Amino acid sequence: KNEVEQSPQNLTAQEGEFITINCSYSVGISALHWLQQHPGGGIVSLFMLSSGKKKHGRLIATINIQEKHSSLHITASHPRDSAVYICAAPPGNKLVFGAGTILRVKS
Amino acid sequence: DGGITQSPKYLFRKEGQNVTLSCEQNLNHDAMYWYRQDPGQGLRLIYYSQIVNDFQKGDIAEGYSVSREKKESFPLTVTSAQKNPTAFYLCASSQGVFGPQHFGDGTRLSIL
Repeated sequence: KNEVEQSPQNLTAQEGEFITINCSYSVGISALHWLQQHPGGGIVSLFMLSSGKKKHGRLIATINIQEKHSSLHITASHPRDSAVYICAAPPGNKLVFGAGTILRVKS
Repeated sequence: DGGITQSPKYLFRKEGQNVTLSCEQNLNHDAMYWYRQDPGQGLRLIYYSQIVNDFQKGDIAEGYSVSREKKESFPLTVTSAQKNPTAFYLCASSQGVFGPQHFGDGTRLSIL
């Protein structure tokens, strides 16, 4: 079993829909990262959070440390949100990555 | 603008050749990392360096080598000992090992 599990693996949504991507981890962590990888391959860090909720524009990340679970929500989704979303957990000084969720938003 | 530069974007290697991937950062970060990404798999850590002149093996270091002679540079050499080098390679850096990591745009390595 992977230390960091994401679901779903693939997600297709219609423009405007509310999207949720889930991440569960089995390691003890100090914080959890959400990353976005665009088709060209470059990765952008979206959030690093250790408790509660963070919001940036249409993106919202939540984490429940006791349940070892985090979610990434996208409100009013748009085709430009199409990307791979990756969660990563640092057990100690290294990151362990989920396999990623491939999101496609259709117009 | 500060950031991480990886070059080249695409790289081709013949069987038996060593090849070096470049990673440069101007963020003044102490820590740097090399990851390998294969289709359907999460990123896996090859090597990381917390400070100049020091580096540690990650989970899949066999067949790779690195150096960290300067704070801003962390080149990765894929040696002929790496039996399956075709992959997408990402470099990252962070201010301290617990800080958020900043990623480069990656290098795609293919075998001819």
